[in-house]
Amino acid sequence: KAGVTQTPRYLIKTRGQQVTLSCSPISGHRSVSWYQQTPGQGLQFLFEYFSETQRNKGNFPGRFSGRQFSNSRSEMNVSTLELGDSALYLCASSFLGAPTGELFFGEGSRLTVL
Amino acid sequence: AQSVSQHNHHVILSEAASLELGCNYSYGGTVNLFWYVQYPGQHLQLLLKYFSGDPLVKGIKGFEAEFIKSKFSFNLRKPSVQWSDTAEYFCAVNEGGGGSQGNLIFGKGTKLSVKP
Repeated sequence: KAGVTQTPRYLIKTRGQQVTLSCSPISGHRSVSWYQQTPGQGLQFLFEYFSETQRNKGNFPGRFSGRQFSNSRSEMNVSTLELGDSALYLCASSFLGAPTGELFFGEGSRLTVL
Repeated sequence: AQSVSQHNHHVILSEAASLELGCNYSYGGTVNLFWYVQYPGQHLQLLLKYFSGDPLVKGIKGFEAEFIKSKFSFNLRKPSVQWSDTAEYFCAVNEGGGGSQGNLIFGKGTKLSVKP
């Protein structure tokens, strides 16, 4: 069974630009969650999508958005990038979502903002 | 708001030493508890989880964790560590009770370095 696939793995952007990250969950998984990982703040929850609907949202500004398609693939977008957005963005999928199911994480997309 | 504290940022042990990593959470209701591990260059993966029942939970690779409700703790233990246990360990919690709402709140992680 293929794991969670995130693209791109690495990217470099400049302040003010926008970025779109993609996540393909494990086949059959309907929940996709996004997390931001930084050395200072650790793993912070961004949002969760389940069957194309945003089910939960973390405490991030509106510049961070996401969506989920009918095939459960998900994208997240960050507009007007700031230096502080440099981080590893992790996607996790599960059949039902936390807490009832184990989260399966991808390897992440490492974003550097210059 | 819920929070998770992992008091040790970096732990260094020799092979065969015993390990205990602390995890405390702040939430008074029913919780689900998890430990995730991230080996160097790999993705996060589940080590063990507690939803209900026996508070002593056994996971993969000889790890176990004990849920102590009165102390709001879920410490991770292993009697004898190996060099291959070198990794970063994350404790996580979310609201339980059978609902599927809620997200995982992670601690900031503990890096474990095992010297051969």
